[in-house]
Amino acid sequence: QITLKESGPTLVKPTQTLTLTCTFSGFSLTTGGVAVGWIRQPPGKALEWLANIYWDDDKRYSPSLKSRLTITRDTSKNQVVLTMTNMDPVDTATYFCAHRPCRGDNCYFEHWGQGTLVSVSS
Amino acid sequence: DIQMTQSPSSLSTSVGDTVTITCQASQDITKYLNWYQQKPGKAPKLLIYAASNLQTGVPSRFSGTGSGTHFTFSISSLQPEDIATYYCQQYNDFPYTFGQGTKLEI
Repeated sequence: QITLKESGPTLVKPTQTLTLTCTFSGFSLTTGGVAVGWIRQPPGKALEWLANIYWDDDKRYSPSLKSRLTITRDTSKNQVVLTMTNMDPVDTATYFCAHRPCRGDNCYFEHWGQGTLVSVSS
Repeated sequence: DIQMTQSPSSLSTSVGDTVTITCQASQDITKYLNWYQQKPGKAPKLLIYAASNLQTGVPSRFSGTGSGTHFTFSISSLQPEDIATYYCQQYNDFPYTFGQGTKLEI
């Protein structure tokens, strides 16, 4: 059974750095083709992909946020960490991490964490 | 970035209806499109991958078709538990992008 769970602060101040941890079980991030992604959703709005980290430690970022994002992994702890610098109230959102396997060249977010709501306010 | 345009943004439905949602990509994404269902306060759930493949365990009343830039998602015989918001997502190129969502209402 694959599970993922996000953890981190629920409230950050503008200009601060957000650090979120995704702790997962039921799969290995060293298995070929596997990735973990971060996706966020502002209240009442659509989903926005932020970043992926891959089985080979490759990383991909949303270009619009790339300068502010860092994604890392700790395979011994089965964790993926996302940091986002210079937080702004517009970054208020629910942040999800998700398991991204592939079948051939078809890739999808198959298992998701429950999400964690992060508010940015002074 | 590849823009994904879903229509309609909301849809008034009734139990038993057939519902169709469209997703238009701003450029050719071949078959690299997924569909997700999201209920309020919950994480999205994968329903369809690669435009037309039903995810394991998803009822057969859900279906998807399309390729290139035009895709459709359908629910036949809508059930009460299908009331949710539905999103398309392309993975042809980075950044992955989602449609703006289609909210089904009774």
